[in-house]
Amino acid sequence: DAGVTQSPTHLIKTRGQQVTLRCSPKSGHDTVSWYQQALGQGPQFIFQYYEEEERQRGNFPDRFSGHQFPNYSSELNVNALLLGDSALYLCASSLAPGLALYNEQFFGPGTRLTVL
Amino acid sequence: GQQVMQIPQYQHVQEGEDFTTYCNSSTTLSNIQWYKQRPGGHPVFLIQLVKSGEVKKQKRLTFQFGEAKKNSSLHITATQTTDVGTYFCAGFGSSGAGSYQLTFGKGTKLSVIP
Repeated sequence: DAGVTQSPTHLIKTRGQQVTLRCSPKSGHDTVSWYQQALGQGPQFIFQYYEEEERQRGNFPDRFSGHQFPNYSSELNVNALLLGDSALYLCASSLAPGLALYNEQFFGPGTRLTVL
Repeated sequence: GQQVMQIPQYQHVQEGEDFTTYCNSSTTLSNIQWYKQRPGGHPVFLIQLVKSGEVKKQKRLTFQFGEAKKNSSLHITATQTTDVGTYFCAGFGSSGAGSYQLTFGKGTKLSVIP
């Protein structure tokens, strides 16, 4: 039973560029949430997707956007990268749409993004 | 918006000593979750508390949810080197305007001296 997978594992970009990160949820899960974890900090909620729609959103600018596909996998897109976007980006999958954040979240290994 | 504060930020203990981390929310929570993140790893779910005053145990770990559902604690008895990592609480509640989200504390980094 595959857990949550994310790609790529590491990424280096320059300011102003755009990046796409990918996530495949744990088998049987239909809800995907994305988090940004800066060094030494706790994960910060970016948004959550269920049924291919953004259901909840944290306090992140519109430069952060996402998508969920019919197979429940998801992408996180960040435009006009800033130095401050350097962080570990975590994807978490869970069950129970709408109440997904009530349930145990399974985190992927993350994508380490460095913006130069 | 909702804020979750966690103390202490760091804790160094001798193996065999007890350890406690505390979590406080600025707002009443629907539930609280605890995660452990090993160095270089990702958060791993430990437990979820939902009811006011709830206490749950997992072997040497004891989790409590406050009566007002605004605070929580994790206590580890007789720490072992395998307990090393950062422990996060994450509170689920309203972030305003009908929106709900899981808000993580900054975590407590536990070091265990053999």
